[in-house]
Amino acid sequence: SQQGEEDPQALSIQEGENATMNCSYKTSINNLQWYRQNSGRGLVHLILIRSNEREKHSGRLRVTLDTSKKSSSLLITASRAADTASYFCATDARGNKLVFGAGTILRVKS
Amino acid sequence: GAGVSQSPSNKVTEKGKDVELRCDPISGHTALYWYRQSLGQGLEFLIYFQGNSAPDKSGLPSDRFSAERTGGSVSTLTIQRTQQEDSAVYLCASSFIGTTNTGELFFGEGSRLTVL
Repeated sequence: SQQGEEDPQALSIQEGENATMNCSYKTSINNLQWYRQNSGRGLVHLILIRSNEREKHSGRLRVTLDTSKKSSSLLITASRAADTASYFCATDARGNKLVFGAGTILRVKS
Repeated sequence: GAGVSQSPSNKVTEKGKDVELRCDPISGHTALYWYRQSLGQGLEFLIYFQGNSAPDKSGLPSDRFSAERTGGSVSTLTIQRTQQEDSAVYLCASSFIGTTNTGELFFGEGSRLTVL
């Protein structure tokens, strides 16, 4: 099974609203990363949070990590139509390779 | 180029043929990953190279799949006797930090494989 599991599978919101996506994982990690994918091609790294961090910000992105619950959330504030994409969390629990979840499809309607 | 380069970008082949997919990682990156993504699905880990260590092949789905990384740089993923279920986008990524502190992955645009 996937180490990272995103929730919800799909999310549809209006432009200007906030979007929250969650990720759960099963084993201890060194860090957790979030990636974005447009059009089913290459992924782009958004943010990395280490296991000893609880919250991190980057522009309109806010990531939290709760190692006791083995979960993370990605918040996109003031969403824009251009934020429409698939979002994946990735963890490095199994050795050093990154394992990705199934992703959340975000649609921002203008 | 400055990014991860993959070729071909699209490949259509007939069932039973062999295919080779190439990945040029970012210069200096020690770690290289191959993933597979079927339509509308997440990323399935295939194989991971880190420096001179033995590769982690635990994600390869069958012995028809193999990969090598020559000189710690370019990697080739080979699929022998392709099957229709091999149709997917094959993504390559590289990373500068690949040991105890996995860093950010830089992805190529992928190779879309269609097996007829």
